[in-house]
This record gives sequence, C-alpha cells and structure tokens, in this order.
Amino acid sequence: EAEVAQSPRYKITEKSQAVAFWCDPISGHATLYWYRQILGQGPELLVQFQDESVVDDSQLPKDRFSAERLKGVDSTLKIQPAELGDSAMYLCASSLGTSGTGYEQYFGPGTRLTVT
Amino acid sequence: SQKIEQNSEALNIQEGKTATLTCNYTNYSPAYLQWYRQDPGRGPVFLLLIRENEKEKRKERLKVTFDTTLKQSLFHITASQPADSATYLCALRGNNDMRFGAGTRLTVKP
Repeated sequence: EAEVAQSPRYKITEKSQAVAFWCDPISGHATLYWYRQILGQGPELLVQFQDESVVDDSQLPKDRFSAERLKGVDSTLKIQPAELGDSAMYLCASSLGTSGTGYEQYFGPGTRLTVT
Repeated sequence: SQKIEQNSEALNIQEGKTATLTCNYTNYSPAYLQWYRQDPGRGPVFLLLIRENEKEKRKERLKVTFDTTLKQSLFHITASQPADSATYLCALRGNNDMRFGAGTRLTVKP
C-alpha cells in the first residue's frame, strides 16, 4: 500500500539553527499539506499545495518558515532560525483532491522536532 | 471565533461496551466532517467522512452521526476492543482548509 514518506523521523537542533523536513506524497496526489502538532493538540495546518502552487499559507509564520513544492511532487519545509516554541511533530499529508472536495488525507509518520 | 471541541481529553471504557465520542463546533458551516484515529508517535489515519446532507454513516463497528442543527457529530465504536485504544480526532472544513479538534484519548480496558 502506498504511503507518505517523511524524513528525518527525529531531529534535535539548537535554537537559531536552520532545519529542514522532506515529504514525498503518494504518487498521483495533487494536494499536499504540512501540519504542526503540539503534544495534546490536534494538527494545525501550516501550508497547503495544489500541485506546485500554494493554496493556503495563512497560518505559516513566514518570517521564519518557508515551504516549497517545486515540481509538484515532493516538498520541503524549512525553519530558519528555529525557536524553542517550534518543538512539535511536523506532519505531511496528501490527498487526491483539495479539502473542498472532501478527499481523505493520508498522513506520513511525521518528524519529531526538538529545539534546545 | 471558530471552535472545535471534543469531549473530555480521555475516555475509559470496558471491553465490549460502546464508546461514544463527541465533536462540537461553533461558527462553522462545514460541508463535511471527518474522523481520524491517531496512535502515539504516528500520523492520523482516516476513518470516516460524513457530508452535511447525511445523518449517519457506518463502517463495520464504527458509526458517525452529523447534526448540523446541533452543530455536533457523534462517533461510536460498538463492541469495543483494547486495540481500539487511541486518540480520535474530528476534522471539518473551515473557510479554506481542514481544521482538527484536539482529540479524545480512548482507552478500552480488557
């Protein structure tokens, strides 16, 4: 069964350093999402791509976060500089269509980020 | 402001009983609502979707209801098993995106 791949699974970094996460969605899925999940809370959408275009990045802290999906396939989320409050699980998900169409989202295993 | 509230952080039930989880929302008019299961340290897994014009959806031991008047969805697991122990998240479409509740952690005791 096809899965969403994410790497690394775990990342420890010092504050003020740069960190990057990679996601490879299920083949054929046009929509890709990046979420942040703080322990005890639900996933919070950071950015949504439709193919290579950003559909929604209203919750992305653009002063330090950036995301790209250059060829409309895999995607990278970057944080520079990292802050202590960025410690969380970063989840990538993909779906056949956009959230407006009600397609289920397939999530990857996530990247657990710890900022020290 | 828009809110999604799931009942109590934790729910403990005995094996074989029916678990009922609640998802209430305010200031949304969602076209649909989804339920996901999340195990510790893993990404959520999709379970069921119910649209605004549907009252009830079933899948094996799972049942979801959607009351747009009460602005509430109920998620039932019948004949619960210890393997059903996990956090269950409801998600609904906001203005432009999917928003998740904080989840309810279900523990099914043998």
